[in-house]
Amino acid sequence: DGGITQSPKYLFRKEGQNVTLSCEQNLNHDAMYWYRQDPGQGLRLIYYSQIVNDFQKGDIAEGYSVSREKKESFPLTVTSAQKNPTAFYLCASSPLPGTVTDTQYFGPGTRLTVL
Amino acid sequence: KQEVTQIPAALSVPEGENLVLNCSFTDSAIYNLQWFRQDPGKGLTSLLLIQSSQREQTSGRLNASLDKSSGRSTLYIAASQPGDSATYLCAVTTGANSKLTFGKGITLSVRP
Repeated sequence: DGGITQSPKYLFRKEGQNVTLSCEQNLNHDAMYWYRQDPGQGLRLIYYSQIVNDFQKGDIAEGYSVSREKKESFPLTVTSAQKNPTAFYLCASSPLPGTVTDTQYFGPGTRLTVL
Repeated sequence: KQEVTQIPAALSVPEGENLVLNCSFTDSAIYNLQWFRQDPGKGLTSLLLIQSSQREQTSGRLNASLDKSSGRSTLYIAASQPGDSATYLCAVTTGANSKLTFGKGITLSVRP
């Protein structure tokens, strides 16, 4: 059963804590992405990675960090430097980045709430 | 910088109506345009992808068109059903890294 899994589904964080969101894919896709979605907003790109051990900042990378040690995994850490982290976080992957036929496949999301 | 606009933000229609959702973008140098569906609290599902050289794509009751020169796309939903109620997001790819730029989405409600 191929797809993208994100865990946990819900996450609660106290102010000042770092938390890590998990994203795993078994689609053998090279590229992976992290987005943030706020109510009434479109998705905004946080980080993306096209190959293992390489990643680039997206439009709103401040306060976030990522790693890509394995092709299947792209965890996102929300650090205490992120001032407004409460949001819905979506992970995606794509098989053919840079081509006109490329599309992104999305996971079910993690809802992070800061208490 | 690419910007994608979807207006209105919400739409309510009676069941059975044919409807059109609009999307506009500012930079016509796109690789492709995609329409996604998002149910409340869920991830996104790709509905249709139109390559930059194509004019339209169809899947079942859905038809999407692309006018790249004018920076516009429409998603046509025929014979709408309550199960079509969801948020529909338009996104364009404008780089070799497949970065997507999203609109804010249109929340559709189909009344029985």
